[in-house]
Amino acid sequence: GEDVEQSLFLSVREGDSSVINCTYTDSSSTYLYWYKQEPGAGLQLLTYIFSNMDMKQDQRLTVLLNKKDKHLSLRIADTQTGDSAIYFCAEKGGGADGLTFGKGTHLIIQP
Amino acid sequence: EAGVAQSPRYKIIEKRQSVAFWCNPISGHATLYWYQQILGQGPKLLIQFQNNGVVDDSQLPKDRFSAERLKGVDSTLKIQPAKLEDSAVYLCASSGVVSHEQFFGPGTRLTVL
Repeated sequence: GEDVEQSLFLSVREGDSSVINCTYTDSSSTYLYWYKQEPGAGLQLLTYIFSNMDMKQDQRLTVLLNKKDKHLSLRIADTQTGDSAIYFCAEKGGGADGLTFGKGTHLIIQP
Repeated sequence: EAGVAQSPRYKIIEKRQSVAFWCNPISGHATLYWYQQILGQGPKLLIQFQNNGVVDDSQLPKDRFSAERLKGVDSTLKIQPAKLEDSAVYLCASSGVVSHEQFFGPGTRLTVL
């Protein structure tokens, strides 16, 4: 079946940029997503990208998609303490609406 | 606009007992999803409804799990009987006309002892 892989942890200094990476296996993915989950909370949709795009920017967030390598990244500029959370990469396949998620990357902010 | 509502937020039961979770999607959203998120993992789709019909329940353990969305709005997910490995957060999500955007509720954290 489809698989989505992410690094488990990323540590960055406050004010630096964070780059969270994700790889996926489903070549028929139509949309790719980044969700944020804070402790005890549900999933917050941060941004998404259509599979025929290679970049999307939204304020401090930049999404890059390399469809050939099945690689997705999320860059957070000027990382703040409020960005501390788990970030999930997810993909939607060509035939179904349900999302396949990675295990999540814990973003740790150092003062 | 109100988000996806779920209740209860927390539930503790003993194994072999039954439990039910409730979800109210965003108003007007035709598609509703139930996901299971085990600690340390990403959410896994259990079932998807389009209005009151099931679109995908291929990953639902049907021997113990059931779900319904009788009037195409609210939904309930039931586990009977519960096992220790069912301990997880159960997330409900909904999507509307822009069907590639799924919005999640706060989840119900189930602990099976």
